Amino acid sequence: QSVLTQPPSVSAAPGQKVTISCSGSSSNIGNNFVSWYQHLPTTAPKLLIFDNIKRHSGIPARFSGSKSGTSATLDITGLQTGDEADYYCGAWDTSLRVWVFGGGTKLTVL
Amino acid sequence: EVRLVESGGAVVQPGGSLRLSCAASGFTFEDYNMFWVRQRPGMGLEWVSLISWDAGATYYADSLRGRFTVSRDNSENSVYLQMNSLRTEDSAVYYCAKDIRVGASFEMDVWGQGTTVTVSS
Repeated sequence: QSVLTQPPSVSAAPGQKVTISCSGSSSNIGNNFVSWYQHLPTTAPKLLIFDNIKRHSGIPARFSGSKSGTSATLDITGLQTGDEADYYCGAWDTSLRVWVFGGGTKLTVL
Repeated sequence: EVRLVESGGAVVQPGGSLRLSCAASGFTFEDYNMFWVRQRPGMGLEWVSLISWDAGATYYADSLRGRFTVSRDNSENSVYLQMNSLRTEDSAVYYCAKDIRVGASFEMDVWGQGTTVTVSS
């Protein structure tokens, strides 16, 4: 059971939009930056979003992040087949003094 | 180019030990906090450990504290993960990653390709 809660899977057609949610608490998301990572099998994870809303270098504007209270969201618009991957949110937990990942969301582009 | 290269992964018997290394280049290593993250087969990313830029602070996942030890050598631009009393459930790909900025940002912007640890008899 992950400290941060994500849906196990989402899916949509090419060109459509998906939203991946990440729910936490005041000790992690509520008071620390959220970052989002894309992970394809056998590759290094890639940072997409940091500081809740900022796109990492080279990440297209189709990817956007937001945060409200103890929840964060990753939106991906104009879906492409190459976006199929696992997506993870993460944040530092001030109370537990650990980094926490969400359980990951598998994106399928139908 | 900022680069992280892990090494040291191997097949080891339960109860054994292993030391992973991560060699950094392309940035001022001594200024950045460093992370270890793993992915066990069929599972999600799991944070393992964090060491501050000066090794003054170290943090561990609760389930690993006491068996794993993180360290760094800023003169060698390297971070290490000493893993003792290994269990079959420690089998995973282990990644190192760097913090995105100087200070306590705790967000991972550059990752290595990973090194594979297999614990099996």
